[in-house]
Amino acid sequence: AQSVAQPEDQVNVAEGNPLTVKCTYSVSGNPYLFWYVQYPNRGLQFLLKYITGDNLVKGSYGFEAEFNKSQTSFHLKKPSALVSDSALYFCAVRAVRPYGQNFVFGPGTRLSVLP
Amino acid sequence: DGGITQSPKYLFRKEGQNVTLSCEQNLNHDAMYWYRQDPGQGLRLIYYSQIVNDFQKGDIAEGYSVSREKKESFPLTVTSAQKNPTAFYLCASSIELAGDTQYFGPGTRLTVL
Repeated sequence: AQSVAQPEDQVNVAEGNPLTVKCTYSVSGNPYLFWYVQYPNRGLQFLLKYITGDNLVKGSYGFEAEFNKSQTSFHLKKPSALVSDSALYFCAVRAVRPYGQNFVFGPGTRLSVLP
Repeated sequence: DGGITQSPKYLFRKEGQNVTLSCEQNLNHDAMYWYRQDPGQGLRLIYYSQIVNDFQKGDIAEGYSVSREKKESFPLTVTSAQKNPTAFYLCASSIELAGDTQYFGPGTRLTVL
């Protein structure tokens, strides 16, 4: 089955420390991987994506993600967290579904950056 | 939230009523999507449309209906057949179907009284 897992419901980090939000996936073929962020009562905002090429992808707001094919992971990282980074983060992958290709989203990880 | 608008932001419905959620985009995107988001869960796909006058069921289409008469518009109707409609509904669009970045609207929170 094609799926996305975000093993941590909640991640807490102190402001100024590096942060990692984990994502692992299971898909057929080459994966297209995405990270989105959601602030309360808002839609999802695109952060970054991996299609092909360099395994380290840089995105918006200083975020980056590392694609690791052998570990089927696509962890989101930021060198120095800000309080304003506190939000809900979703990993997503393009997948072949019974009704055609579409996106599968992980359950989300809530990031809290403490001042 | 880009060039995608959803209205209303909040919607209250009595049991047994149908309601229609609006989604409009000015990004000239061919593909549009409707998702449902419940607390503690990821997004679940309700319906999607690759192109005008075409749409397909997603994971949880029962109790919902859509239309795609114009490229810019993809309204979602939550019918009385939907047993648990209270949720946050998100519309998205992309240049073409899948394999491409989806851009999301601000969402509509539906509450059934």
